[in-house]
Amino acid sequence: GAVVSQHPSWVICKSGTSVKIECRSLDFQATTMFWYRQFPKQSLMLMATSNEGSKATYEQGVEKDKFLINHASLTLSTLTVTSAHPEDSSFYICSASSGGAETQYFGPGTRLLVL
Amino acid sequence: KQEVTQIPAALSVPEGENLVLNCSFTDSAIYNLQWFRQDPGKGLTSLLLIQSSQREQTSGRLNASLDKSSGRSTLYIAASQPGDSATYLCAVDHNQGGKLIFGQGTELSVKP
Repeated sequence: GAVVSQHPSWVICKSGTSVKIECRSLDFQATTMFWYRQFPKQSLMLMATSNEGSKATYEQGVEKDKFLINHASLTLSTLTVTSAHPEDSSFYICSASSGGAETQYFGPGTRLLVL
Repeated sequence: KQEVTQIPAALSVPEGENLVLNCSFTDSAIYNLQWFRQDPGKGLTSLLLIQSSQREQTSGRLNASLDKSSGRSTLYIAASQPGDSATYLCAVDHNQGGKLIFGQGTELSVKP
């Protein structure tokens, strides 16, 4: 199956700093990428949908100025958590597909801990 | 608003048992339903995808069924093994746009 990678796999940062997480599709062109957040013992919650070359569409309650998403190429999307705070500590997972309704392939996740 | 519920939240069985995981959704107008496996601290592995027009899908020891009208899906695991221990998530694609709505998951433990 298709492979999606995320970098870094985990990151620890101080409160107030910004953190960038990369999501790459390694062997296919990802027209659409999705970003999810998962708190401990909870399920995945969709944060935003990004289509290559377009602005991301954010879910209700997700601050677009805090979670900056860039999908500048067909193989790379980035999520930047700006001015991170301890409550942003979570497991962030991306998925990629070759079209909105096509099969999504999930990355391994990035664990963020904000001190 | 579509909501997905999974029962039970946790399940522990001895090795070799057959088991069933349940998933229900409130709005039957779905495009497809998927079952995923998640190991601790890891991403998701897709197990089975059932299109809205299908009733079931099978892969090895796994069989997933879908009853759209009643808003239910089941994942049947035959002859469970310790390696099956993981959290199993179901998710529905509600609007054909790929936006998946996930259940809370069932944490499965298979004891040797």
